[in-house]
Amino acid sequence: GQQLNQSPQSMFIQEGEDVSMNCTSSSIFNTWLWYKQDPGEGPVLLIALYKAGELTSNGRLTAQFGITRKDSFLNISASIPSDVGIYFCAGQFNVGDYKLSFGAGTTVTVRA
Amino acid sequence: TAGITQAPTSQILAAGRSMTLRCTQDMRHNAMYWYRQDLGLGLRLIHYSNTAGTTGKGEVPDGYSVSRANTDDFPLTLASAVPSQTSVYFCASRRGGAQDNEQFFGPGTRLTVL
Repeated sequence: GQQLNQSPQSMFIQEGEDVSMNCTSSSIFNTWLWYKQDPGEGPVLLIALYKAGELTSNGRLTAQFGITRKDSFLNISASIPSDVGIYFCAGQFNVGDYKLSFGAGTTVTVRA
Repeated sequence: TAGITQAPTSQILAAGRSMTLRCTQDMRHNAMYWYRQDLGLGLRLIHYSNTAGTTGKGEVPDGYSVSRANTDDFPLTLASAVPSQTSVYFCASRRGGAQDNEQFFGPGTRLTVL
């Protein structure tokens, strides 16, 4: 599969903070998706991006499809305790081939 | 609506034994996928099926087989399990069509091979 580099690998959040994570690829992607996984559950889609430069929000979440089509970021504003979990970026490489490549994930934990 | 169900929830399996992980969706989605999730590696595609009657290999297909006899079911079989197949397995489905890349995931099966 296509290599996706997701960073940071983990982060600690304090309630009310804005946090950001990103994904980069050496290849051009046609679609970027961001998923969240809660403990013991499967990933759930947060945001889907289909065009270069696209900026999309879903509540306190904002994601952008990079102009170069090789990167995407996800921002969480005013974080709350339920934001903890693992966030994955995923990209579709080939037009007409709907297989996704996933990043390794960013684990978000509440700072004690 | 149940969405995607997977069974069993978890399993401990002796090396060399065979096992079938079950996946059923009630959304009439065309495409289905099997992933394994390992720490630090994210989700890696094992096999996929774009429509009933067709299957394809993903990134890590060795040691696994699938079938897609109908739209709803997509079982994953380990013919002779090895410890490296210890993982959490997720089944997913996608409705289909252009600009419709959302994959819906099941709750996962945690498999331990000893």
